[in-house]
Amino acid sequence: EAEVAQSPRYKITEKSQAVAFWCDPISGHATLYWYRQILGQGPELLVQFQDESVVDDSQLPKDRFSAERLKGVDSTLKIQPAELGDSAMYLCASSFRGLQETQYFGPGTRLLVL
Amino acid sequence: KNEVEQSPQNLTAQEGEFITINCSYSVGISALHWLQQHPGGGIVSLFMLSSGKKKHGRLIATINIQEKHSSLHITASHPRDSAVYICANAGKSTFGDGTTLTVKP
Repeated sequence: EAEVAQSPRYKITEKSQAVAFWCDPISGHATLYWYRQILGQGPELLVQFQDESVVDDSQLPKDRFSAERLKGVDSTLKIQPAELGDSAMYLCASSFRGLQETQYFGPGTRLLVL
Repeated sequence: KNEVEQSPQNLTAQEGEFITINCSYSVGISALHWLQQHPGGGIVSLFMLSSGKKKHGRLIATINIQEKHSSLHITASHPRDSAVYICANAGKSTFGDGTTLTVKP
């Protein structure tokens, strides 16, 4: 069964360093989402792509976060510089066409900033 | 205030009990998503519904659009049902904070 792949699964970094996460959605899924989940809370949408275009990045802290999906397939989320408050689980999800369809989640990247 | 509110926050049940988790939302939605998150962090989609009721095995999800309310029911609960259950406004990708369910044998 097709799955959303994410790497790394765990990342420990020091504050002020740069960190990057990678996501490969299910083949054929046009919509890709990046979420941040702080312990004890639900996921928070950071950015939504439709193919290679950003559809919604209203909650993305653009002074330090960036996301790209250059060829409309896999995607990278970057944080530079990382801050202590960025420690969280970063989840990637994909759906066939858009928000009204079932989202399939990857295993997530757990980030710890020291 | 979160647009999507869940209750209870935590729920402990004995194996075999009938369980209900509630979800209320403050803005109109076109579809609501119920998800299950296991301790390792993996999230699995359970239901996407926009009206009425859906059933899958021991899980039942209902939604009342007029009342802006949805419920997730688990019949004959089992320890393997222990997880965090999250509801989300599928149209806006906004999520509740989850209900942590623990089913004891």
